[in-house]
Amino acid sequence: EAGVTQFPSHSVIEKGQTVTLRCDPISGHDNLYWYRRVMGKEIKFLLHFVKESKQDESGMPNNRFLAERTGGTYSTLKVQPAELEDSGVYFCASSQDWANEQFFGPGTRLTVL
Amino acid sequence: AQSVTQLDSHVSVSEGTPVLLRCNYSSSYSPSLFWYVQHPNKGLQLLLKYTSAATLVKGINGFEAEFKKSETSFHLTKPSAHMSDAAEYFCVVRSGSGNTGKLIFGQGTTLQVKP
Repeated sequence: EAGVTQFPSHSVIEKGQTVTLRCDPISGHDNLYWYRRVMGKEIKFLLHFVKESKQDESGMPNNRFLAERTGGTYSTLKVQPAELEDSGVYFCASSQDWANEQFFGPGTRLTVL
Repeated sequence: AQSVTQLDSHVSVSEGTPVLLRCNYSSSYSPSLFWYVQHPNKGLQLLLKYTSAATLVKGINGFEAEFKKSETSFHLTKPSAHMSDAAEYFCVVRSGSGNTGKLIFGQGTTLQVKP
């Protein structure tokens, strides 16, 4: 069974540019989560999808971040325009139910110059 | 509000000696607690979880953790460290508000294992 996959593994962009991160959850997992780790800080929750609906987006830092999950399968996280403080590692996770184990992807390392 | 505090940012042990990674939690009700591990260039992997059943929880690779309500602790232990245990470890609590799987992470503890 394939695990959670994320694309790209690394992204380096200039301040002000746009970047889109993609997450493919484990097949059949209705719940999908985004987290990020800014350098030197702890991993923080961004948002939680149940199928295509946003169950909890309390962790989204500001309106430069837009997450979508059209069709309830893969998800994208767009940062527009990117700022220096957006640099970090963005993790995606999925689970069958919100109370079940979350399986994490390897993360996307985003560097904003 | 739920929170976890990992008391050591870095722990160094010799191969074959015991491992202790400390975690204290804060919760207004019975928490769901987890330990995750991240090896270099890999995703986070669940080591073990506590969800109000047995207070001593056994996980993968010989790790275990004991939930102590009186001390609000959930320390991770292993009797004998192996070189492959070198990684970063995260103590995690699930947010108790609503039907959300939101996880709240500690700051992480880097475990170094010396030969």
